[in-house]
Amino acid sequence: DIQMTQSPSSLSASVGDRVTITCRASQGISNNLAWYQQRPGKVPKLLIYAASTLQSGVPSRFSGSGSGTDFTLTISSLQPDDVGSYYCQKYDSAPITFGGGTKVEIK
Amino acid sequence: EVQLVESGGGLVKPGGSLRLSCAASGFTFSDHSMTWVRQAPGKGLEWVSSISSGAYHIYYADSMKGRFTISRDNARNSLYLQMNSLSAEDTAVYYCARGWGNSGSYYFDYWGLGALVTVSS
Repeated sequence: DIQMTQSPSSLSASVGDRVTITCRASQGISNNLAWYQQRPGKVPKLLIYAASTLQSGVPSRFSGSGSGTDFTLTISSLQPDDVGSYYCQKYDSAPITFGGGTKVEIK
Repeated sequence: EVQLVESGGGLVKPGGSLRLSCAASGFTFSDHSMTWVRQAPGKGLEWVSSISSGAYHIYYADSMKGRFTISRDNARNSLYLQMNSLSAEDTAVYYCARGWGNSGSYYFDYWGLGALVTVSS
């Protein structure tokens, strides 16, 4: 099965900073990758699918890139509302796999 | 407005069984695959099982195969998860999620609030 490895596992940044989270697949998955945000105590929310397509209603400060095995989620200007955990998910085929998550905090 | 409401969670003894339900509204249920995802306390997301829109294709995580059964009733706009032989490792919040994609290749645009399953003696 394909494994998804996220890094870092946690980060602390200042409001307005550019933040980058990476996700690496153990085998190529084309662009079949989604990113989710989970605010503390809340339900996961879809941010990006097809590696780089922004879900409707998601702020434009979020962007995704990559293909094959290496992917990134970028927050161009970190806001207090962005605190939470972020997960990548591969969906090229079953089994579906999530990355271990990245916890984002405000410094 | 899309809504997914899970029910059926609770406390169950090791070795016991539980059936979760997810009531869907606000969209054409029979047009979408559906999935269960779980999250153990303080842990990350773990895919459990998916079922295609017409229930022709079903997928399970290896650790759930043979113990969990996913099903759906498109006439009732409902998704189900029958869980047997439960152990403490199954303690988690179980989310139902609406899927996009096909043939097991799903991502999820709407999630329910979750149902807490606690396995303890």
